[in-house]
Order: sequence, then structure tokens, then C-alpha cells
Amino acid sequence: EPEVTQTPSHQVTQMGQEVILRCVPISNHLYFYWYRQILGQKVEFLVSFYNNEISEKSEIFDDQFSVERPDGSNFTLKIRSTKLEDSAMYFCASSELSSGANVLTFGAGSRLTVL
Amino acid sequence: SQKIEQNSEALNIQEGKTATLTCNYTNYSPAYLQWYRQDPGRGPVFLLLIRENEKEKRKERLKVTFDTTLKQSLFHITASQPADSATYLCALDWAGNNRKLIWGLGTSLAVNP
Repeated sequence: EPEVTQTPSHQVTQMGQEVILRCVPISNHLYFYWYRQILGQKVEFLVSFYNNEISEKSEIFDDQFSVERPDGSNFTLKIRSTKLEDSAMYFCASSELSSGANVLTFGAGSRLTVL
Repeated sequence: SQKIEQNSEALNIQEGKTATLTCNYTNYSPAYLQWYRQDPGRGPVFLLLIRENEKEKRKERLKVTFDTTLKQSLFHITASQPADSATYLCALDWAGNNRKLIWGLGTSLAVNP
């Protein structure tokens, strides 16, 4: 079964450092997403990406965040200068281009700990 | 205001019983309602979806109902097993929302042997 893969599974960083989280979406999917989940809280939408550009971003996705699809397979989330409150699980997801329901396939997540 | 709510309390049931989880929403008009399962430290996994013009959908031991008048979906797991213990999330989906799902907080289910 095709899957979304994410690396690293866990990253510990110092406040103020840059972090890049990587994702390989399912190959025939065209929509890509980053979500965040702080421990014990709900899954929060960060950004969606389609046709090599951001299609929507949330209020959380401020200037410290950026996304990129540097090649045909990877989809990255960069946090320029991490803050303590960025500590969370970050999930990448992808979905097919469809006129019907938008079913997401999630990766296993990258746990980010900011000290 | 727009809201989506799931059972706030964790649900504890005995193995073999039916678990029923609720998802209520206000001021949304989803075309689809999706249910996902999330295990600790893992990403959500899609289980089932139901369309606005469907009343009920089944898949093995899972059953979902959708009442667009009440703005509610019920998710049932029959003959529950300890392996069903997880958090279950509902998500609203409609084409006009730029393909962004609206997520509930989730309900934690524990099935006791």
C-alpha cells in the first residue's frame, strides 16, 4: 500500500535554530499538506500546496514557516527560527486530485522538540 | 460561530459491546463527513466517509450515520475489541473550502478486555 514517508521521526533543536522537516507524498497525489498537533490538542491545519504553490495557509503559518517542493518527490516544511511553542508533532499528508471527497493519507509524523 | 465537536469525555467500554461516538457541527454545510483513527504518536488513518445524501454507510464492523438536519454524525464500532482502542477523529469536507478539512478534537476510545 502506498504511503507518505516523513523524516526525521524526531528532532530536538535549540530555540532560534532552523529546522527542515521532509516528506515524500504518494507519487500520484497532487495536493500536499502540513498539519501540526500539539500534545493533547487537535490536529491543526498549517498549509496546503498544489501545482507548486501554496493554495491556503492558516494563521499559524507565519513568516517563520515556508514550504517547498524542491524536486518531483520531496515536500519540505522549514521553520526559520524555532520557538518553544513550535514543539509538536508535524504531519505531512497528501491527496489525489478529485472532484469528490478529499481523503488524506498522512505520514507517521515528525516530532519536534524545541529546547 | 462555526464549531465542530466530538464527545469530550473519553469512552470506556467492555470488549464485545458497541461503541458509539458522536460528531456535531454548527454553521457548516459539508458535502462529506470523514472519520479517521489516530493511534498515539501516529498520523490519522482514514476509515470511512459518508456523503451528505447518504443516511448510513457500513464497512465491516464500522457504521456511520449522517443527519444533515441535526448536523450530526454517529460512528459505531460493533463487537468492539481491545485493538479498537484509539482516538477517533471526524472531519468535514466540502469542495468550496479549498480542499481543506475541518477537524474535530477527537474522542479517545478504550476497549477493556
